[in-house]
Amino acid sequence: RKEVEQDPGPFNVPEGATVAFNCTYSNSASQSFFWYRQDCRKEPKLLMSVYSSGNEDGRFTAQLNRASQYISLLIRDSKLSDSATYLCVVNRGFYSGGGADGLTFGKGTHLIIQP
Amino acid sequence: DGGITQSPKYLFRKEGQNVTLSCEQNLNHDAMYWYRQDPGQGLRLIYYSQIVNDFQKGDIAEGYSVSREKKESFPLTVTSAQKNPTAFYLCASITNQGGSGNTEAFFGQGTRLTVV
Repeated sequence: RKEVEQDPGPFNVPEGATVAFNCTYSNSASQSFFWYRQDCRKEPKLLMSVYSSGNEDGRFTAQLNRASQYISLLIRDSKLSDSATYLCVVNRGFYSGGGADGLTFGKGTHLIIQP
Repeated sequence: DGGITQSPKYLFRKEGQNVTLSCEQNLNHDAMYWYRQDPGQGLRLIYYSQIVNDFQKGDIAEGYSVSREKKESFPLTVTSAQKNPTAFYLCASITNQGGSGNTEAFFGQGTRLTVV
């Protein structure tokens, strides 16, 4: 199983619709979870951190399911400007030991909002 | 303003040349990372450093070298041994790496390297 796995898409969604995608992670010792947004030819930017209790920021809701080892992102009332690649990011923390430490990125889910 | 700065934004390299990409941060972060991104692909880890004068290979370190002489700086050298260096290179630094604290990563704007 890959360390962080996402459906690459593309997800083609009409404007105003609700879209959701998941990300699974393999290391149960992972400590922090994030969703980043990356626009074409730009650097990734933090969209939101993901907390165990779930968190919401406007039209965006993120949830973490530790038992099943996945995080999710829900976008309501999607806008054309939401078109981007969404990266799932997992941090194993400083002392996890073994291999490359720190942040592990999924390959991203490509979202296209259509007018 | 605090941030992380990469330079140059665009870089052209002739075959057989070594080139160095700069990454500087004034966020007082301990950990810094270099990633490579190819078109339509995710980020792949080249090297990372969790403390000054120490760094570790990532998943695709062959053909690259780094140094971490200062906390603020983590330059990446793409050597002639890297056979396919054309890519988008991203540098990142991370806040608290210990315990369960906030570990948001901040990215530079990237360097687009092209071999000519």
